[in-house]
Amino acid sequence: GNSVTQMEGPVTLSEEAFLTINCTYTATGYPSLFWYVQYPGEGLQLLLKATKADDKGSNKGFEATYRKETTSFHLEKGSVQVSDSAVYFCALSSNAGKSTFGDGTTLTVKP
Amino acid sequence: ETGVTQTPRHLVMGMTNKKSLKCEQHLGHNAMYWYKQSAKKPLELMFVYNFKEQTENNSVPSRFSPECPNSSHLFLHLHTLQPEDSALYLCASSQGLAGGINYEQYFGPGTRLTVT
Repeated sequence: GNSVTQMEGPVTLSEEAFLTINCTYTATGYPSLFWYVQYPGEGLQLLLKATKADDKGSNKGFEATYRKETTSFHLEKGSVQVSDSAVYFCALSSNAGKSTFGDGTTLTVKP
Repeated sequence: ETGVTQTPRHLVMGMTNKKSLKCEQHLGHNAMYWYKQSAKKPLELMFVYNFKEQTENNSVPSRFSPECPNSSHLFLHLHTLQPEDSALYLCASSQGLAGGINYEQYFGPGTRLTVT
């Protein structure tokens, strides 16, 4: 079956530091890949997505590249802000749209 | 605002109570989902509906009973719950479940349920 493995947290960074959250996946077929973000007290929101190999998704300074050869979709941001503190979920969707989520990585950014 | 609303946002209920959670999506989507999010556990998919028909039930106990009267509304009826059912219940919707097309999901803010 499909699976998503993402970097264990929590991750604590200082403001303006570089962020990487690793995500690897196992899937049949041609999945689409997503990063979702969950701010405290809220539901998950789509952060970015990529639908085929070598696509780069980007939004709000975050980006991730769909790497089929390494089955990875690592999330990066060059300079994090306190407001980026949240839980980040890597996910994939395949086989008629059913989604598989990673366990989530908690990011705390300190001023 | 994601276009998916959930009510109530918070609910405290005793083990013998019956209550319902409501979800409504204003996105014109055809698929709707219930998830359970517990502290320190992965997100758990509970039920999936596509065009009002249930397509997935992930071995959820019968004390949770979903209802999908139309593509815009989804309910989760609760009865005789246990304290371990306390969690954040998230509703989501997506454009559909079609072979070869992988849509993202849009989530509501969740209902924080506490069972006493």
